[in-house]
Amino acid sequence: DAGVIQSPRHEVTEMGQEVTLRCKPISGHDYLFWYRQTMMRGLELLIYFNNNVPIDDSGMPEDRFSAKMPNASFSTLKIQPSEPRDSAVYFCASSRPGQGIETQYFGPGTRLLVL
Amino acid sequence: SQELEQSPQSLIVQEGKNLTINCTSSKTLYGLYWYKQKYGEGLIFLMMLQKGGEEKSHEKITAKLDEKKQQSSLHITASQPSHAGIYLCGADTGGGADGLTFGKGTHLIIQP
Repeated sequence: DAGVIQSPRHEVTEMGQEVTLRCKPISGHDYLFWYRQTMMRGLELLIYFNNNVPIDDSGMPEDRFSAKMPNASFSTLKIQPSEPRDSAVYFCASSRPGQGIETQYFGPGTRLLVL
Repeated sequence: SQELEQSPQSLIVQEGKNLTINCTSSKTLYGLYWYKQKYGEGLIFLMMLQKGGEEKSHEKITAKLDEKKQQSSLHITASQPSHAGIYLCGADTGGGADGLTFGKGTHLIIQP
């Protein structure tokens, strides 16, 4: 299996521009998570989906952030308009169905720099 | 909300020495995950602990969860340069496949 795939790996943009991050979970995994990592705040959960349905988006910073999962193999995290404080590494993770707690497998992350 | 405290924040260890990283929760843990992150890369799953008193080992890394399920330790024996990186503990407080809450991480440097 190729693991969780994220694109782009690096993104540099100017303040005010729209940014779209993409994630392809591991096939067969029906949970998908978006995390953001910064030096100041560490790794934080933004939103997660189960069977393509958003379950908890309480971690989404503000209305500028939105996430979608149109099908089981693809999710996007969009920031519009972007701000310098959005600069961070954004990780996508997925886990497979089962009973109880399931291990989350992380993608390589997208490094976002907003100038 | 669940809070995880990791200690130490950073650690410099001479190659070949043993070391321990701690992760303490303010609440009972349904599951405790240990991940390793190399600088500039994603998180690599190491181990998951679920039961009080549970202990797991993988190569030279051993993780334990205390009986009260509020504290976990990660122990590395005879450290090697390949062990360098950031170690993160993540907690599941919902008892299911919810998003994880992570500690701030421990930066481990191995000196040759």
